[in-house]
Amino acid sequence: GQQLNQSPQSMFIQEGEDVSMNCTSSSIFNTWLWYKQEPGEGPVLLIALYKAGELTSNGRLTAQFGITRKDSFLNISASIPSDVGIYFCAGQKSGDYKLSFGAGTTVTVRA
Amino acid sequence: SQTIHQWPATLVQPVGSPLSLECTVEGTSNPNLYWYRQAAGRGLQLLFYSVGIGQISSEVPQNLSASRPQDRQFILSSKKLLLSDSGFYLCAWSAGGLETQYFGPGTRLLVL
Repeated sequence: GQQLNQSPQSMFIQEGEDVSMNCTSSSIFNTWLWYKQEPGEGPVLLIALYKAGELTSNGRLTAQFGITRKDSFLNISASIPSDVGIYFCAGQKSGDYKLSFGAGTTVTVRA
Repeated sequence: SQTIHQWPATLVQPVGSPLSLECTVEGTSNPNLYWYRQAAGRGLQLLFYSVGIGQISSEVPQNLSASRPQDRQFILSSKKLLLSDSGFYLCAWSAGGLETQYFGPGTRLLVL
């Protein structure tokens, strides 16, 4: 089930701007994942984080695993039109096969 | 490399009709398999997951069922569809013991 608070719910951004979104939880997670979903397609994994404090980049994307293990953020630098989509965070607790998902952040880019 | 397939891509079914959605994974053995439903503009709801052949765990009570007849095949079924079953159904897999889940392309189901 969805136990993660993801914000903002949606955002309109200007091309070239940096974007930041985050997820918080009242529970501790051992893994944080960030996915992007485009209309009519399945979510695609962007970044996986496995260690508290870990900062990982994937091109213009940067994500961090919070020190408390209860939060994570995703940054997109110099946004471009193809960054449009819904971004989901997901977390997994130790020994659990299941992921908890955030409700998603819808990103719309103005050219 | 691993790939995950789902079919059909789109399905329109009348209320009360049966349902069978199929998901298959290639390039890995003994994956954990998952079925999710996504309502329009909403997040992902886990329906079922399986850690092995014939092993199914249900997350929410509903008129859907799942089966895993083969290691890399996961099927979502219903005997009688309801209007509320409409949505986008996603299958996902993960390597046993690892957390990262990889999603299939999805099946869009419209029940009329």
